[in-house]
Amino acid sequence: DAMVIQNPRYQVTQFGKPVTLSCSQTLNHNVMYWYQQKSSQAPKLLFHYYDKDFNNEADTPDNFQSRRPNTSFCFLDIRSPGLGDAAMYLCATSRGLVNTEAFFGQGTRLTVV
Amino acid sequence: GENVEQHPSTLSVQEGDSAVIKCTYSDSASNYFPWYKQELGKRPQLIIDIRSNVGEKKDQRIAVTLNKTAKHFSLHITETQPEDSAVYFCAASPMDSSYKLIFGSGTRLLVRP
Repeated sequence: DAMVIQNPRYQVTQFGKPVTLSCSQTLNHNVMYWYQQKSSQAPKLLFHYYDKDFNNEADTPDNFQSRRPNTSFCFLDIRSPGLGDAAMYLCATSRGLVNTEAFFGQGTRLTVV
Repeated sequence: GENVEQHPSTLSVQEGDSAVIKCTYSDSASNYFPWYKQELGKRPQLIIDIRSNVGEKKDQRIAVTLNKTAKHFSLHITETQPEDSAVYFCAASPMDSSYKLIFGSGTRLLVRP
């Protein structure tokens, strides 16, 4: 019954080697989010899409990019991963109406070696 | 922008006791305050939420209170059970972007049998 699916669950990448994380949803929600969660910290919003409109957080590094080719899929691209980018990356969706629940995927744990 | 602080970072209680987790927020215009539970290896899931037009909401053993004047809200779990053990995150939704969620840093709750 998974509604927000992230692949892969675990990703190991080399320092500086581009990596892409993927997220898909079966909920037909307008909004898709990418959060970065480091150990024992709050999920930190990187950016989100409202339909095709991309909204970047002011403090999100340029190293992070995103694509949303259609309603169901959203990708997180890390152009040149550094050791500090190792984290859990959570994708979430919401209907985009005022004050509605966010549905999370199980996350992708990224390791940079 | 909105900032959410959460305390305590860890909480250990005896089965059957109550647990209280507290959060404060900075943006007085925020009007939506959800709580998410994240079990080990699983996705965050909404357990309860409250909107700024009410002061308290209860769902079985879980309740949330909101004090808008003081800008804080709390999660109360009564008659705790071992399956309540998880990380709990509070969040606030800034008024200027009502479908964004800013998270607290999380509380790891351990319920001892």
